[in-house]
Amino acid sequence: DTGVSQNPRHKITKRGQNVTFRCDPISEHNRLYWYRQTLGQGPEFLTYFQNEAQLEKSRLLSDRFSAERPKGSFSTLEIQRTEQGDSAMYLCASSPAEGFGNTIYFGEGSWLTVV
Amino acid sequence: AQSVAQPEDQVNVAEGNPLTVKCTYSVSGNPYLFWYVQYPNRGLQFLLKYITGDNLVKGSYGFEAEFNKSQTSFHLKKPSALVSDSALYFCAVRDRGTYKYIFGTGTRLKVLA
Repeated sequence: DTGVSQNPRHKITKRGQNVTFRCDPISEHNRLYWYRQTLGQGPEFLTYFQNEAQLEKSRLLSDRFSAERPKGSFSTLEIQRTEQGDSAMYLCASSPAEGFGNTIYFGEGSWLTVV
Repeated sequence: AQSVAQPEDQVNVAEGNPLTVKCTYSVSGNPYLFWYVQYPNRGLQFLLKYITGDNLVKGSYGFEAEFNKSQTSFHLKKPSALVSDSALYFCAVRDRGTYKYIFGTGTRLKVLA
């Protein structure tokens, strides 16, 4: 079991550029979550997938943000036309199907700095 | 709507003393409750959870937590703190009717040698 993997771990981008983060969940976990965490705050829910279906999106997820999970395996989170307020750590987590403990396991996060 | 409150931004405790990190929650139904720990520039690591059954749950690294339904609390405890316990601790709740996990704002624990 290799854990949740996130890439890249750090990204510095200029305002207005697009960025994409990738998350590889724990194998056989069918639920995948994206959270955003800013300094001094707790993780804020962005969206989650069950297999390839995106079942819920937060209002925090503006139309500049899009997440996909093709084939129900890895997921990508794309931010278009980045703004300085997008600077944060983006966390991915996964969990097994219901009835298997309900714990979500986090990756190490992807830090985004918009300059 | 689900919510979690961690009333203390920081808790200081001397090494060897017992520690408590407080958490209260609000959900419409019966909750699933979790504690996670975060070290600098890292993701969150799972410590323990309450799903059902015994109100006292034991987790990793000697931590335990007590579920109190009447007070809607789930405080994290450890009988004897270690300097290496110093980190950021997050309480989380999930209403059984949803798949969304809501996190508190975190409590920084400092264990002083």
